[in-house]
Amino acid sequence: DTEVTQTPKHLVMGMTNKKSLKCEQHMGHRAMYWYKQKAKKPPELMFVYSYEKLSINESVPSRFSPECPNSSLLNLHLHALQPEDSALYLCASGGSSYNEQFFGPGTRLTVL
Amino acid sequence: DAKTTQPPSMDCAEGRAANLPCNHSTISGNEYVYWYRQIHSQGPQYIIHGLKNNETNEMASLIITEDRKSSTLILPHATLRDTAVYYCIVKTSGTYKYIFGTGTRLKVLA
Repeated sequence: DTEVTQTPKHLVMGMTNKKSLKCEQHMGHRAMYWYKQKAKKPPELMFVYSYEKLSINESVPSRFSPECPNSSLLNLHLHALQPEDSALYLCASGGSSYNEQFFGPGTRLTVL
Repeated sequence: DAKTTQPPSMDCAEGRAANLPCNHSTISGNEYVYWYRQIHSQGPQYIIHGLKNNETNEMASLIITEDRKSSTLILPHATLRDTAVYYCIVKTSGTYKYIFGTGTRLKVLA
């Protein structure tokens, strides 16, 4: 199984809502990532988990809260987002050492 | 900041080779060159990577100059399905930090 799955595919939320994005992989990868991608821009790294511990936080605002409950799952909890947070949120796994990353299809988030 | 520069866009005729250049003049000895592509609204897809030798797989070839300051991704027989944004990334071995540059938007023309 070389697939990274993400749910939901689309999410619309208000600025006062709390929601979560989910990501799952069963490739045995011990590194998992969250990226944010605005339209016509490259993906921007947000967080990296390595062996279920937060390894990299690219100065992401606290309204984004990552969680890695186990080695196969990665969540991104969202609270009090702003309209400018609307973007495609990509999850990836793998990528440690010289290995490649596998990306999920993304969750398209719209904040109203 | 991204360590790579790429032309913003390129066109290629279907069936011809697509040669996508990437400049990484500040690359260090322990940094690999990776190529990914992103077809519209999908997650990026790994293509190939290398350290200093040329590499080939079923998707593409990667040619790295001897001084390692630039590389070229070659899609030998481009098809319409190869239309995508191609990203060249330099990453240190053993680290997790992938920094995507602005990429090259390749359009394959029928």
